[in-house]
Amino acid sequence: DVKVTQSSRYLVKRTGEKVFLECVQDMDHENMFWYRQDPGLGLRLIYFSYDVKMKEKGDIPEGYSVSREKKERFSLILESASTNQTSMYLCASIQGQVDYGYTFGSGTRLTVV
Amino acid sequence: GQQLNQSPQSMFIQEGEDVSMNCTSSSIFNTWLWYKQDPGEGPVLLIALYKAGELTSNGRLTAQFGITRKDSFLNISASIPSDVGIYFCAGPTLTGANNLFFGTGTRLTVIP
Repeated sequence: DVKVTQSSRYLVKRTGEKVFLECVQDMDHENMFWYRQDPGLGLRLIYFSYDVKMKEKGDIPEGYSVSREKKERFSLILESASTNQTSMYLCASIQGQVDYGYTFGSGTRLTVV
Repeated sequence: GQQLNQSPQSMFIQEGEDVSMNCTSSSIFNTWLWYKQDPGEGPVLLIALYKAGELTSNGRLTAQFGITRKDSFLNISASIPSDVGIYFCAGPTLTGANNLFFGTGTRLTVIP
C-alpha cells in the first residue's frame, strides 16, 4: 500500500512564525497535493505539484508557498502564520490521473495562537 | 465557481439504521469518488464511479452515479458504530488541471 506520511499530527505555532508542514510518500508518485479542511467548507486545494520543482496554485494559495526538491517530498510553508490559518492540513498523492482517487496522509492539525 | 453540495450536513442515527446521503453539482461530472474520514485521520477512498447510472457496492456501502451526471448518492445499510466519520464526495476539477474538487462533507454519528 502507498503510504503518505505527514511529519506532525499536531502543531501549535505563534502568529508571525514561519511554519513548515512536511509530507513524504513512498511510492514514487508524480502528483502531490496540499488541502486544508475546515468545518462546513470541506477540503480546499492550496497547492499541487506534478513533478520535482514544479508547483501550481490551487483555489486558496494566498499566505502559503510550497517546495518540491525531491519527488517523494512536498512541503507546505506558511511564511508568516496567522490565526486564520488554524486548520487541518491534508497531504495527498497519486500516480497518473486523479480519477482513481488520491491517497491521503493522516493530516496535521495546526493551531496558530 | 465549481460547487459540490452535500446533504445532509450532519446525521445522527441509531445503530442498525440505513443511511442515505447525496452530492449535487452545478456542472456535469465524468467521475464521482466517495471518501470516508475517520476521526483524526485522513480520508480514505470508498467507492469510485465512472459511468452515468452506474451502481457500485463495497460491503454495506452502495453508491450511484446519477443519470444527469450532476449528482451521486451513497447509501450505508445496517449502520454500525465504526461508520462514524465524515463522508466526502469528489470529482475531477473542471479547470482541466489534474486534481480533485471535494464536497462540503456529511458528518455521520451512530448512536449505539
